[in-house]
Amino acid sequence: AQSVTQLDSHVSVSEGTPVLLRCNYSSSYSPSLFWYVQHPNKGLQLLLKYTSAATLVKGINGFEAEFKKSETSFHLTKPSAHMSDAAEYFCVVSDQDYGGSQGNLIFGKGTKLSVKP
Amino acid sequence: DTGVSQDPRHKITKRGQNVTFRCDPISEHNRLYWYRQTLGQGPEFLTYFQNEAQLEKSRLLSDRFSAERPKGSFSTLEIQRTEQGDSAMYLCASSFPISSQGRYEQYFGPGTRLTVT
Repeated sequence: AQSVTQLDSHVSVSEGTPVLLRCNYSSSYSPSLFWYVQHPNKGLQLLLKYTSAATLVKGINGFEAEFKKSETSFHLTKPSAHMSDAAEYFCVVSDQDYGGSQGNLIFGKGTKLSVKP
Repeated sequence: DTGVSQDPRHKITKRGQNVTFRCDPISEHNRLYWYRQTLGQGPEFLTYFQNEAQLEKSRLLSDRFSAERPKGSFSTLEIQRTEQGDSAMYLCASSFPISSQGRYEQYFGPGTRLTVT
């Protein structure tokens, strides 16, 4: 079965410093991996997705993630945090096999990112 | 706005009452998903439709829950005889069907927050 583990429930950074949100996955086949962001009182927004092409994936708002099969990791990074980045971030794996028909998403527990001025 | 919409955004009900939520997906999407998110947790999959067919139901979807998508467009999620444990955010998402490459992304609505008193 597929699963994701977000290693930190809360990360706090200062504005202008790098962001690292850690995620490990478990999958029996080549996974589809995503990062979603959830701002308070707003819907989930897709930041980026890994689809077995390039291992370094660039997303919106300056975020990127690197798929490392040997480490089963998909960490989210950003070189310089902004105050507007404060939100909950979810690492997600798609529950599907190659050519399968299901496709529901399996979410991690989330990492709350705080950005200090 | 052509995104996923949900109605109502908030619902307060007394234990034992029935409630119904509506989701309108992005019009070109034929897949529609329901998730539930409790406080401090990531969303958990409940069920999904491809067109009007309900193809998968999670074990979380007890017999008090029923979902429909009668014409393959909007969907409703009904909870009968609500319990305090049903208090959560109910999220709807839509997507294109899985492509031959097996990759897709889901677009989420803002959610319906249910409070059972």
